Amino acid sequence: EIVMTQSPATLSVSPGERATLSCRARQSVSSNLAWFQQKPGQAPRLLIYSASTRATGIPPRFSGSGSGTEFTLTISSLQSEDFAVYYCQQYNNWPPRITFGPGTKVDIK
Amino acid sequence: EVQLVESGGGLVQPGGSLRLSCAASGFTFSNYEMNWVRQAPGKGLEWVSYISASGTTIFYADSVKGRFTISRDNAKNSLYLQVNSLRAEDTAVYYCARGYDRLDYWGQGTPVTVSS
Repeated sequence: EIVMTQSPATLSVSPGERATLSCRARQSVSSNLAWFQQKPGQAPRLLIYSASTRATGIPPRFSGSGSGTEFTLTISSLQSEDFAVYYCQQYNNWPPRITFGPGTKVDIK
Repeated sequence: EVQLVESGGGLVQPGGSLRLSCAASGFTFSNYEMNWVRQAPGKGLEWVSYISASGTTIFYADSVKGRFTISRDNAKNSLYLQVNSLRAEDTAVYYCARGYDRLDYWGQGTPVTVSS
């Protein structure tokens, strides 16, 4: 199993500021990395897949980068609706195995 | 509009069983891989199981292998998860999610509580 870690566990940011979230894989996952946003009581929402491709309908203030073992999700200017928990997720090509990071909570400073 | 609607969750005693369902609409279900993902109260996301579009390839997380069975009925646009020998640590909201390289649509989840 590929273990994913995320840092920081909590990120306090003021609206309008930039947020940078990190995700690390214990072994290379190439670009097989996605990012999700989850708000309380809601299902996760796909933001980014293939490390840097925005999902349909995701605003350009969300961007992903990285490959191999180190990845970053950047929110360029935080809006009120962006305060949530963010998870990274890797997917092996074969056999199918998915693992999630423990999450980063982005809250209001 | 793509929709995934889970059902079948509830309160069950340790050792009990449930059959979770996920009804899909708004897309050609038989073309897509599907997964079950769960989330224990106040915890993160845990992948549970994968099934290929045809249903011929199946994988499970080690934590549920031998106790859970994933299946699908493409004629009924439905995904299932038979959960047996339930333990307290299986208490979670269970989500179905479409795809594999991108889990682009999720249901709202069905809660499973294992308690005596």
